Amino acid sequence: DAGITQSPRHKVTETGTPVTLRCHQTENHRYMYWYRQDPGHGLRLIHYSYGVKDTDKGEVSDGYSVSRSKTEDFLLTLESATSSQTSVYFCAISGQGESYEQYFGPGTRLTVT
Amino acid sequence: AQSVAQPEDQVNVAEGNPLTVKCTYSVSGNPYLFWYVQYPNRGLQFLLKYITGDNLVKGSYGFEAEFNKSQTSFHLKKPSALVSDSALYFCAVRGLRGFQKLVFGTGTRLLVSP
Repeated sequence: DAGITQSPRHKVTETGTPVTLRCHQTENHRYMYWYRQDPGHGLRLIHYSYGVKDTDKGEVSDGYSVSRSKTEDFLLTLESATSSQTSVYFCAISGQGESYEQYFGPGTRLTVT
Repeated sequence: AQSVAQPEDQVNVAEGNPLTVKCTYSVSGNPYLFWYVQYPNRGLQFLLKYITGDNLVKGSYGFEAEFNKSQTSFHLKKPSALVSDSALYFCAVRGLRGFQKLVFGTGTRLLVSP
């Protein structure tokens, strides 16, 4: 999976608790992304980063925050988890240039009870 | 806004037969189009892309895609399907706001029967 790891790979948490997912890359790519995958919706962008401390919202950012203090790490935080945030979360990376393809991590399956 | 549509939730094909997974797009400006595949419990894997040039793009695992500007389509094809091709396939287009963002379709499940 192109030098991308995600942790944890599985997590069950209770409604109202904060949760942080970690994405770590060894490719030194500038761009990093967080998506969620839900049946019938494909992948939807939550937040993305275009450099250290540079982040922006995607299409489904409500209830999520991100941080990127180092090139290799991109953290996704669910501030107060809700059942609607039960999903599979994928991190992706891409370099600069016109190629634009993204490379994906293995995913984190999050269940909010 | 940039978008892609995958009109089929599932495509069934017998092993050895040709397969097509359909994708249509709607973009402002030149389309940058991608296909990804997802095997069970795995992340998405990049298959191929169209940026410019030849309308027939060749990718990984024997897949190819045909870009058709007049029909705004970017269908994924393979001449002879394998059972191991059974997976979830996603079409994607580069987002308008920001060069790097991708907008994904809802996915098509390909089932290849022996």
